[in-house]
Amino acid sequence: DIQMTQSPSSLSASVGDRVTITCRASQSISSFLNWYQQKPGKAPKLLIYAVSNLQNGVPSRFSGSGSGPDFTLTISSLQPEDFATYYCHQTYSTPLTFGGGTKVEIK
Amino acid sequence: QITLKESGPTLVKPTQTLTLTCTFSGFSLTTSGVGVGWIRQPPGKALEWLALIYWDDDKRYSPSLRSRLTITKDTSKNQVVLTLTNVDPLDTATYSCAHTYNTLTAFDYWGQGALVTVSS
Repeated sequence: DIQMTQSPSSLSASVGDRVTITCRASQSISSFLNWYQQKPGKAPKLLIYAVSNLQNGVPSRFSGSGSGPDFTLTISSLQPEDFATYYCHQTYSTPLTFGGGTKVEIK
Repeated sequence: QITLKESGPTLVKPTQTLTLTCTFSGFSLTTSGVGVGWIRQPPGKALEWLALIYWDDDKRYSPSLRSRLTITKDTSKNQVVLTLTNVDPLDTATYSCAHTYNTLTAFDYWGQGALVTVSS
């Protein structure tokens, strides 16, 4: 199985901060890397697919980058509605796997 | 627009079989490339992929649960059914179904999720 390791597991930040979350794959996953945002009690929401493609309707302050094994989700200017947990997800091969999550909290 | 909704029991006893139904609209599981997956999330924990079925009836399973899982589709009813046999309290989780538009692509639409508790 491909292991997806996210870091940090949590972070505290202020509105307006630039936030970076990293995901490392245990083996090559080409560009099959996606990012989701999840708020408490809600289903995950797709933010970024195939490393750097912004899903329709997602604000442009979210961006993705990287190439194997390290990938990055960046929020350029954190907004109040961005406080949530973020997950990376590889779809290079089954079993599909998710990272452990990064909880972004208010400082 | 695409919507998915999970249904099934909220409480199941250990050793029983859990059957969950995903009823969807806005797409067809006869369209080339389309798939529906199941993902679960124990309370306070991370997401775990369980199974996936594609338009051509190609089925994929999590190896760790393969012996206990079955995924099927009913295209006439726009439903995907997941069964999990011999459940254990560790199977307590929110179970979600999600749409994918092509092989090995992201889950772009998700159901709201259904919390299932396994307890005697």
